[in-house]
Formats: sequence, structure tokens, C-alpha cells
Amino acid sequence: DAGVTQSPTHLIKTRGQQVTLRCSPKSGHDTVSWYQQALGQGPQFIFQYYEEEERQRGNFPDRFSGHQFPNYSSELNVNALLLGDSALYLCASSFLGSWVANEQFFGPGTRLTVL
Amino acid sequence: EDQVTQSPEALRLQEGESSSLNCSYTVSGLRGLFWYRQDPGKGPEFLFTLYSAGEEKEKERLKATLTKKESFLHITAPKPEDSATYLCAVQAGRNYGGATNKLIFGTGTLLAVQP
Repeated sequence: DAGVTQSPTHLIKTRGQQVTLRCSPKSGHDTVSWYQQALGQGPQFIFQYYEEEERQRGNFPDRFSGHQFPNYSSELNVNALLLGDSALYLCASSFLGSWVANEQFFGPGTRLTVL
Repeated sequence: EDQVTQSPEALRLQEGESSSLNCSYTVSGLRGLFWYRQDPGKGPEFLFTLYSAGEEKEKERLKATLTKKESFLHITAPKPEDSATYLCAVQAGRNYGGATNKLIFGTGTLLAVQP
């Protein structure tokens, strides 16, 4: 059973450019969340997609946008890149359908470097 | 405001020297507390979910416990391969809008186990 997969592994961009990161959830999962992790910090929630809609959003500007496809995979887009956007971007998948807390399983991440 | 604080920031142990990591939380309506292990440059690996005070879970040399204000991750007779950053996260409130609630992370404890 393949876990959560992300692509690309690494990415180098320059300020002002745009980037798209991709995620495929764990088999059987229907919800995808994106997190940003700066060096030495815990992951920070960006947003979450369920049924192809953004359901929750963290404290991130509109430069960060996303999409979920019918097969539950997801993309994270970041426009007008800033130096401060350099981080490890993590995708986490979960299954919505339980009243208890939902365990989220993470992919390996995409390391984005903005020069 | 929901908040998670982990201590210590870093911990160095000799192989076989047992210790505990602390995760203190302030949250409005805890749905679940999660422990993850993260190796450098990788995504967090799920370890445990705890739902209510008094609950305990074990996996190999790790044991997680939960009270109303904090959680402990006890490491018994650690080995060098246990070296990693251990992250604590909480999921608060109730599911709404068809979404699983976001995870709120602490900054982690960097554990180094020397042979």
C-alpha cells in the first residue's frame, strides 16, 4: 500500500516566480492538508481540501492556493515567491468519516528554496 | 488561542538511559493529541493518538501518556536509531464544514542518543 507521495522532492526558484507542488494521498483517504515547515519549527497549517473544496485555511496569504482533483490528489500553488517561502512543504492525508480525531499521515515533503 | 509547547528543545542521552519528553497544551476542546517522529529532511512519521486523560499507548521503547494539560513521551532504554525530532500536535474542537480539524504542532524535541 503506497503511502502519501509528493513531487517534486526539491525545487529551487527565484523571487517573484510561481511554483506548483503535488500530492497523492494514501489509499482510502479523501482529505488532503498542506503544511509549511520552516527550519527548526513545527509544521504550520496552510489549508485543507475535501470534496474538491477548500474547507479550512490557516494564516497564510492569498498567494497560497490549492486544488483537489476527483481522484483526491491535490496541488499547492504559491505565486510571487518571497525569500521567506523557503521551507519544507508537507502534504498530509486523512479519512473523514469518524467522529473521533482523524489521524493525518504525512508525505516525505517538498523542499522549496527561493533565491 | 490553541497552543502546544514542547520541552526540552533538545535532549542528549546515552544509549540505555531512559527519559521523558513533555508536551503541554492549551486547547478549546481536545479531540486528540498526536505524537510524530521526524528524521532530518523527511516528513513526520505517525506514532500515537491519545484521546482522553489517563490514556496510555506503547510501541517498542516508546510509551505515550495523556493528562488534561500535558502529554509525556517516555523512552525506555533508547538506542541510537531512536535519534530524531519528536513532534507533538493537537486537534481541537469539533469537525465542521465537512472538514477534519487542522493539527497544531509544537516546535519539537530534538533527541540524540549516543552509543
